[in-house]
Amino acid sequence: NAGVTQTPKFQVLKTGQSMTLQCAQDMNHNSMYWYRQDPGMGLRLIYYSASEGTTDKGEVPNGYNVSRLNKREFSLRLESAAPSQTSVYFCASSGLPVADTQYFGPGTRLTVL
Amino acid sequence: LAKTTQPISMDSYEGQEVNITCSHNNIATNDYITWYQQFPSQGPRFIIQGYKTKVTNEVASLFIPADRKSSTLSLPRVSLSDTAVYYCLVGGSARQLTFGSGTQLTVLP
Repeated sequence: NAGVTQTPKFQVLKTGQSMTLQCAQDMNHNSMYWYRQDPGMGLRLIYYSASEGTTDKGEVPNGYNVSRLNKREFSLRLESAAPSQTSVYFCASSGLPVADTQYFGPGTRLTVL
Repeated sequence: LAKTTQPISMDSYEGQEVNITCSHNNIATNDYITWYQQFPSQGPRFIIQGYKTKVTNEVASLFIPADRKSSTLSLPRVSLSDTAVYYCLVGGSARQLTFGSGTQLTVLP
């Protein structure tokens, strides 16, 4: 099992460009999450999906959209990237929301110039 | 939101027991307490989770007093490879999850 995979690993964008970060899990988990981590900071929840077909905002959703394509995949889209979105993005999944272990992917390091 | 407060950093020596305390004064009745470990350039890794009293697994123990306003992660006999950032999370729903700034543990030889 690969666990949680994320693509790409690194990305450089110019201000105003758009891109989609991909995340997939092979653990048959119901819940999936997107976090961002700025240098020297903890992770902040952007969006989550408690189950297939549902998504909800987290702590810092502005500037992002998500799609729960199916049970395995949860994508994060930046429609018009801004330098403030320079960060490391982590995807995670769990069998249940919160009261269950979250498994994290390796992260995507995004730089917006 | 149940905000958490942890020490910014701690130093220890190899072979010692390390205790990291997290304060969460406004924890709600249905909130669980979860600890994660994060190495540089990696995603966090689950260590332990509890609701009350004491929980122990193969890598750590978690002590939660009766009022649940704090919790203590105990790492027995740390090694250099335990150098990492440790996060305390408190939440009863995904929307409430906040990682905070974590505690940088440095294990010295």
